[in-house]
Amino acid sequence: NAGVTQTPKFQVLKTGQSMTLQCAQDMNHEYMSWYRQDPGMGLRLIHYSVGAGITDQGEVPNGYNVSRSTTEDFPLRLLSAAPSQTSVYFCASGGHTTEAFFGQGTRLTVV
Amino acid sequence: KNEVEQSPQNLTAQEGEFITINCSYSVGISALHWLQQHPGGGIVSLFMLSSGKKKHGRLIATINIQEKHSSLHITASHPRDSAVYICAVINDMRFGAGTRLTVKP
Repeated sequence: NAGVTQTPKFQVLKTGQSMTLQCAQDMNHEYMSWYRQDPGMGLRLIHYSVGAGITDQGEVPNGYNVSRSTTEDFPLRLLSAAPSQTSVYFCASGGHTTEAFFGQGTRLTVV
Repeated sequence: KNEVEQSPQNLTAQEGEFITINCSYSVGISALHWLQQHPGGGIVSLFMLSSGKKKHGRLIATINIQEKHSSLHITASHPRDSAVYICAVINDMRFGAGTRLTVKP
């Protein structure tokens, strides 16, 4: 997935810990988004941004924060991890009016 | 009820078969995307289309805006086509549940 760098690929957290998932793109896309993917549920939108300084909530925003200080970066923060946040997370760039590019995914386990 | 419905949920085919995956949506759209997710987990965009038909190699995607329906076709299927195919209306943040395709040699 050229152009979108998502890190880390794997992470194990203890309940109550915080962490940041990083997402960066070099395609100058205004639109970026974060999704979680759970078995049998498909992709669900957590937060999205239509440009630097502008973010909004998606379908499942509780427990997550985002910021968009630059066009390139769109980090996702888990404030106090819970077992229900065990999932696979994907960052995406573009897709609103352009082809969508996805990060490699982050497999997060909260114990 | 998901506003983007895909069918079938699971599909098993023999190598060489012609495959069709369908997607129906109930929302207004500016574009519809077809995505591919391999067993390793990565998601790749196959097509973005707002009208008509697009072709890339053995893959063909069509959309009928009036009928709110899109199809993904795979000609001469191959085991490496085995993946989950996802229909997505990204501008409305709506995804189909995916079609799991298995192509047997």
